[in-house]
Amino acid sequence: DQQVKQNSPSLSVQEGRISILNCDYTNSMFDYFLWYKKYPAEGPTFLISISSIKDKNEDGRFTVFLNKSAKHLSLHIVPSQPGDSAVYFCAAKIIQGAQKLVFGQGTRLTINP
Amino acid sequence: DVKVTQSSRYLVKRTGEKVFLECVQDMDHENMFWYRQDPGLGLRLIYFSYDVKMKEKGDIPEGYSVSREKKERFSLILESASTNQTSMYLCASRGLGAGETQYFGPGTRLLVL
Repeated sequence: DQQVKQNSPSLSVQEGRISILNCDYTNSMFDYFLWYKKYPAEGPTFLISISSIKDKNEDGRFTVFLNKSAKHLSLHIVPSQPGDSAVYFCAAKIIQGAQKLVFGQGTRLTINP
Repeated sequence: DVKVTQSSRYLVKRTGEKVFLECVQDMDHENMFWYRQDPGLGLRLIYFSYDVKMKEKGDIPEGYSVSREKKERFSLILESASTNQTSMYLCASRGLGAGETQYFGPGTRLLVL
């Protein structure tokens, strides 16, 4: 039972354009969401997060949007740069729960020069 | 900066061998986690630990055990390695606090022949 889903295994975007990565979840108890970025042969690194009391959080070129009614979140990268090429995982958790993160399958983003 | 280290980057073992994967963190974090990452499946939680000598099963604990004798060290044990345990294994640690994120090690790529 995949509670967090990233339905696009891969995405290819031109350098300078916007990259939009999507994530859907099924558990309405999730109240905190995170995006991690992973390069080959390295562990995932935290990118940005959002609490369910917000619908948007920005950090430089990265913005995460949360639509609670649709149980959908997205990560926008503007402008996309070659160094953004990586696998992106979204993750969700229940803040008062066991602190376990539930991860999506990942989306491989390729930025073309 | 949080540092999470894993004892091996690459490991090749034979079916039936007992395998130890070691993880050490230097930030005095209470929580530690073991995941495996497989293509198309994302990161799946094997075991986690709230504190020394405390452990809880994650989503896929079968065929694995863990040990946490010291706060900084969390070991994953494959009692009798099988080919379906060929995977990338990732360790993470996390401090207390609702907003704390998980910090990952570089991963161990395990091949079971």
